[in-house]
Amino acid sequence: TQLLEQSPQFLSIQEGENLTVYCNSSSVFSSLQWYRQEPGEGPVLLVTVVTGGEVKKLKRLTFQFGDARKDSSLHITAAQPGDTGLYLCAGRAWENAGNMLTFGGGTRLMVKP
Amino acid sequence: GAGVSQSPSNKVTEKGKDVELRCDPISGHTALYWYRQRLGQGLEFLIYFQGNSAPDKSGLPSDRFSAERTGESVSTLTIQRTQQEDSAVYLCASSFMGANGYTFGSGTRLTVV
Repeated sequence: TQLLEQSPQFLSIQEGENLTVYCNSSSVFSSLQWYRQEPGEGPVLLVTVVTGGEVKKLKRLTFQFGDARKDSSLHITAAQPGDTGLYLCAGRAWENAGNMLTFGGGTRLMVKP
Repeated sequence: GAGVSQSPSNKVTEKGKDVELRCDPISGHTALYWYRQRLGQGLEFLIYFQGNSAPDKSGLPSDRFSAERTGESVSTLTIQRTQQEDSAVYLCASSFMGANGYTFGSGTRLTVV
């Protein structure tokens, strides 16, 4: 079983601050995804990273896949109240016969105006 | 349809009763997944359907839980003799085989009283 641990579990910051969320595992993943979930909704895919060391940017969000493909980070610059939500990382193992993802426990972010 | 549809959106049931949750995946998506999300927590895998293959039931927490899928269309998750610890949001997702990300429905919020 591949476990993904996210930290911090909770984060409350003021609008305009920067933050980083971490997703760590002892297992190697062929790819890793980040989702954001808002209250009353299902998670929505933000990005997929595939190559070790890969960095992807989505407006104020920067995603990085670790060189060893065991960890990832999400950095948000100048956070806004609209960034509030539950951020989930999810990894796909190499030996996965299907399309199965293992999800982390999530980081709940609150950005106060 | 355009997205993954789940029904009902909310369900309150008495302890000991059976409930049936429905998921309509995106047309053409071969894979379908059920997850459980307890309040404030991450996603707990329940079951995975891929085409006509035998489903991966490894995440079902007890024999009170079962799920069916008709071909590559609708799926139902049945919980028999519900218990209070079954209270959670049940999320369904679908994807193309080999595709990157999942598309989630908005979930069914189950409350067992």
